[in-house]
Amino acid sequence: GENVEQHPSTLSVQEGDSAVIKCTYSDSASNYFPWYKQELGKGPQLIIDIRSNVGEKKDQRIAVTLNKTAKHFSLHITETQPEDSAVYFCAASKGPNFGNEKLTFGTGTRLTIIP
Amino acid sequence: DAGVIQSPRHEVTEMGQEVTLRCKPISGHNSLFWYRQTMMRGLELLIYFNNNVPIDDSGMPEDRFSAKMPNASFSTLKIQPSEPRDSAVYFCASSPGQFMNTEAFFGQGTRLTVV
Repeated sequence: GENVEQHPSTLSVQEGDSAVIKCTYSDSASNYFPWYKQELGKGPQLIIDIRSNVGEKKDQRIAVTLNKTAKHFSLHITETQPEDSAVYFCAASKGPNFGNEKLTFGTGTRLTIIP
Repeated sequence: DAGVIQSPRHEVTEMGQEVTLRCKPISGHNSLFWYRQTMMRGLELLIYFNNNVPIDDSGMPEDRFSAKMPNASFSTLKIQPSEPRDSAVYFCASSPGQFMNTEAFFGQGTRLTVV
């Protein structure tokens, strides 16, 4: 089955600086890569996603890059703010041809923004 | 829509007791997922349903765990008998459709403590 590895497990960044979180996956058939943000006491919430036919996607201060050859993808947050402090999860799934939208999650990165 | 609704938010029970967790997915969503989150193992998919039918239950850890989805608006996850190692946060999530890589919307979770 799919295996997703995520690094680092913790990350502290000065407010205003950039943060980068990296993930690798094992199944070359995976073609959907979402990123979720989990705040304390809440469920994970999708913040951005990318599909395998795209190399990069950006949404305001958040961007995701995908390298299918190397089987890795990264989350980039620029101009970090205190409200960006949370746990971030990457995930991977394959479909629709496989008819299986099961997401395999990474182990999470606890991001702390230092004011 | 109020989002995915889980109940109870917190559950404390004694070892050996039966525990039932409940979930109401977002109206119109065809897929429903049960996840378990622990510090050691992260987010694990236990089971997922599509159109009320279990599609993949390979993540269910033991026969003590069972899940049902009697209709499109309700699902339960039952643990009988419960054990201390079942202590975790259990999330329910729903998404719009099968054969599509679409966003999974998570509930607030149920924090289960088995003493």
